[in-house]
Amino acid sequence: QKEVEQDPGPLSVPEGAIVSLNCTYSNSAFQYFMWYRQYSRKGPELLMYTYSSGNKEDGRFTAQVDKSSKYISLFIRDSQPSDSATYLCATYHSNAGNNRKLIWGLGTSLAVNP
Amino acid sequence: DVKVTQSSRYLVKRTGEKVFLECVQDMDHENMFWYRQDPGLGLRLIYFSYDVKMKEKGDIPEGYSVSREKKERFSLILESASTNQTSMYLCASSFGGSGNTQYFGPGTRLTVL
Repeated sequence: QKEVEQDPGPLSVPEGAIVSLNCTYSNSAFQYFMWYRQYSRKGPELLMYTYSSGNKEDGRFTAQVDKSSKYISLFIRDSQPSDSATYLCATYHSNAGNNRKLIWGLGTSLAVNP
Repeated sequence: DVKVTQSSRYLVKRTGEKVFLECVQDMDHENMFWYRQDPGLGLRLIYFSYDVKMKEKGDIPEGYSVSREKKERFSLILESASTNQTSMYLCASSFGGSGNTQYFGPGTRLTVL
């Protein structure tokens, strides 16, 4: 079993829809979670960074962590065609000896149609 | 503005050739990483470095080596390229310490014929 599972999609939604992107993880020791966004033919870039349980909001984006279920979500409100990209979740072993490495989900491909 | 640059956007090589992929960052980051990204397999870490001349194997180091002679530069070397190394190669860097944001270059699409 992979440490972080993410449905690769693709996900296709109409403009203005609320999008929900999700990952599950297996290790209850994970404490920090990140969402990266990757546009076509570009490298990933950090979108949001969360710690522990609860919600974090940034504009149209909300990151949610449910530690009891080992489930993380990214919600996009009023989705725009410019949100079309691949979204990757990531975490890391904060207590491990070498914790510079990130553990990545496969990424979910999202298309927002005008 | 942070910047990670990679030497080529597209590269075509023949089987058996030695291939060098170069990555340069201008943020004085301690950590540098090389990934490959393939459809259905996601990002897979090949090697990373947390200091000059230091390197550690990632999840798929076989067939690759790396070099970090200066802090800002991290090279990925394919000693004898094979067709199964056709992929998108992404370089990233981050500050030292745990879980810091990784900044990625634009990637090199390598095709091995």
